[in-house]
Amino acid sequence: AQKITQTQPGMFVQEKEAVTLDCTYDTSDPSYGLFWYKQPSSGEMIFLIYQGSYDQQNATEGRYSLNFQKARKSANLVISASQLGDSAMYFCAMREGGSNDYKLSFGAGTTVTVRA
Amino acid sequence: DAGVTQSPTHLIKTRGQQVTLRCSPKSGHDTVSWYQQALGQGPQFIFQYYEEEERQRGNFPDRFSGHQFPNYSSELNVNALLLGDSALYLCASSSQADLAGPRTGELFFGEGSRLTVL
Repeated sequence: AQKITQTQPGMFVQEKEAVTLDCTYDTSDPSYGLFWYKQPSSGEMIFLIYQGSYDQQNATEGRYSLNFQKARKSANLVISASQLGDSAMYFCAMREGGSNDYKLSFGAGTTVTVRA
Repeated sequence: DAGVTQSPTHLIKTRGQQVTLRCSPKSGHDTVSWYQQALGQGPQFIFQYYEEEERQRGNFPDRFSGHQFPNYSSELNVNALLLGDSALYLCASSSQADLAGPRTGELFFGEGSRLTVL
């Protein structure tokens, strides 16, 4: 079964507007971490934001915020005040909590194109 | 402070050949993970190295092997290349201390090695 599902293959957003990228996950582990990474055309994956399963508050990092709905198993990324440089692929990823499990499981990604 | 560096950035091989990809982790990091990213897909975990040993492995055949050196750098080797091995190979580094900490799992990635198999 797919651990991370990103249902939006591509999105367009106007500069200075906000955009929400959807992510749902599947795990039976009570301890897990959720990550969002940005991948520009250069190929490098850039860490954006992290949410732990036991965190009481939604994570925020500058213009990035994570809308964490644990019961729905969703972890949507909100990018506020979009900039042209935000155009990239965005990946949601999860690390499940077992201390001997170090891998990240990634979704298929969402392409964001910011229009001037 | 140098980030994660990978070499080569691009390479072309033919079916049946062997390839070696190299990775130098970010300064201060001791753990290296390798991911395969096929075109239009998310990265898939290949394996992770810590203390010069393979600590965890994903769903990849034995044709994929690796090594970690005492300076924490790492190599990924792929034997008997198939067309389906064409992908971007990403190296990610982290520190063991961070893996056990509150932001557990945050990885620092290189720009990848793009392998084309003809």
